[in-house]
Amino acid sequence: QKEVEQNSGPLSVPEGAIASLNCTYSDRGSQSFFWYRQYSGKSPELIMFIYSNGDKEDGRFTAQLNKASQYVSLLIRDSQPSDSATYLCAVTDTSNFNKFYFGSGTKLNVKP
Amino acid sequence: EAGVTQFPSHSVIEKGQTVTLRCDPISGHDNLYWYRRVMGKEIKFLLHFVKESKQDESGMPNNRFLAERTGGTYSTLKVQPAELEDSGVYFCASSQDVRSSTDTQYFGPGTRLTVL
Repeated sequence: QKEVEQNSGPLSVPEGAIASLNCTYSDRGSQSFFWYRQYSGKSPELIMFIYSNGDKEDGRFTAQLNKASQYVSLLIRDSQPSDSATYLCAVTDTSNFNKFYFGSGTKLNVKP
Repeated sequence: EAGVTQFPSHSVIEKGQTVTLRCDPISGHDNLYWYRRVMGKEIKFLLHFVKESKQDESGMPNNRFLAERTGGTYSTLKVQPAELEDSGVYFCASSQDVRSSTDTQYFGPGTRLTVL
């Protein structure tokens, strides 16, 4: 059973702070990693993906990947109340990279 | 550009009845996926179409579930007969490039199915 683990939260941070969301995965052969944001009752919305070790930045978001330790994280700088949502980590299957394994998501609350 | 659409948004049926969910992918996307999230659990893969062909149906829970994609456009997922444990949110997603490991999947809003 391939697993993707996330702390369910809620993670509470004050407005303007850095929010750090973490994800670990069990399949060492996974190649690509996606972060989705989901507002209550809405579609999961892609934030960014990463496939190489290291950091990848996109605006206020930075994804970090460490394949040796099998973890991927998402940093949100200058957090805003509008960032309050559930953040889903998705990891591709080793043999079928179109097949995603999701974590259960971390709920983020950004307090004004 | 229209996103992935799903119909209905909600469905409440009784155990033993049949329900059909529909998904319209983003125009031009050959790949279509069905996922399911049951209460308190993570989103789980059900199956993947490339055009009208089933590429991977390893996540389909049992033979009460039937997915079709006639003509390679929209897809339907039929549950017959529905059981209580089938309750959850059924998501559809689509993507463009099956050959890329970073091919992005775009999700629809989901259909919330409640089986009483």
